[in-house]
Amino acid sequence: QSVLTQPRSVSGTPGQTVTISCSGSDSNLATNYVYWYQQLPGTAPKVVIYRNDERPSGVPDRFSGSKSGTSASLAISGLRSEDEADYYCASWDNRLGGRGVFGGGTKLTVL
Amino acid sequence: EVQLLESGGDLAQPGGSLRLSCTASGFIFADYAMTWVRQVPGKGLEWVSSFSGGGGKTFYADSVKGRFAISRDNSKNTVYLQLTALRADDTAVYYCARGHSWESSMRFDFWGQGAPVTVS
Repeated sequence: QSVLTQPRSVSGTPGQTVTISCSGSDSNLATNYVYWYQQLPGTAPKVVIYRNDERPSGVPDRFSGSKSGTSASLAISGLRSEDEADYYCASWDNRLGGRGVFGGGTKLTVL
Repeated sequence: EVQLLESGGDLAQPGGSLRLSCTASGFIFADYAMTWVRQVPGKGLEWVSSFSGGGGKTFYADSVKGRFAISRDNSKNTVYLQLTALRADDTAVYYCARGHSWESSMRFDFWGQGAPVTVS
C-alpha cells in the first residue's frame, strides 16, 4: 500500500490528452513538492516534472503538472507512442522525521 | 558527464549482509544529496534512504530502519548502503540517484544502472 495513490493504468489514443492522478495527505503533498517520473522498460526513471509544475529542459511541453492541496496530476497532451511507460509521482513526507515516498505507479498504454 | 556506478549487488542468504557502493563522477560529490531507491522487477519504485550533502542528515524508510545504513565518503566520491538482517522482501534492483542539490528531496536528476540484490 503506497503512501501516494495512483491509478494502476490509463490509456489513450495518439493525439489525445491523458491525465494521471496522485493522491496524498497533509504530511506529504499538502506541504511538499510533487515530482513525476517516467520509466521506460528496462531503464532508470527520468524526472519529467519537478516542483509541482516545472519541466526539466528536454522534456516536451506536452507534459504538464499541477497540484492542489493533497492531490496532484500529470497531464500528457498530444499523446505519442513513445509516451507509453510507467509513471510515478513522488514527494517528501514529514512524518517520522522525514522520508521519501513514491506512488504505486501508473502504466500508460497508447492504443 | 555525470556518471553513477553501483557495485556490490549479489546473492545473499536471509539474515545475511551486503554492502552496495555507488561511485560518482562528473560533479562535486560533496555538494549533493544522494539517495538509494529500490525496485522489485515488474513492481514499483520504493525510496530506501537518503544522505544529504553539507551537514549530512540521513533518512530511512520504515521498512529498512535499523537494518540498513547509508554512509558517504566524499573523498572517494562514493555513497554506500550497508544491508544487514536481509529478508526475502529486500530482493530488488537497488538504484543510486543524485539529488538536485545538497538538500534531500525527491528530485533525482541522475540515476545509476542499478545493482541487483537477491535474498534467498
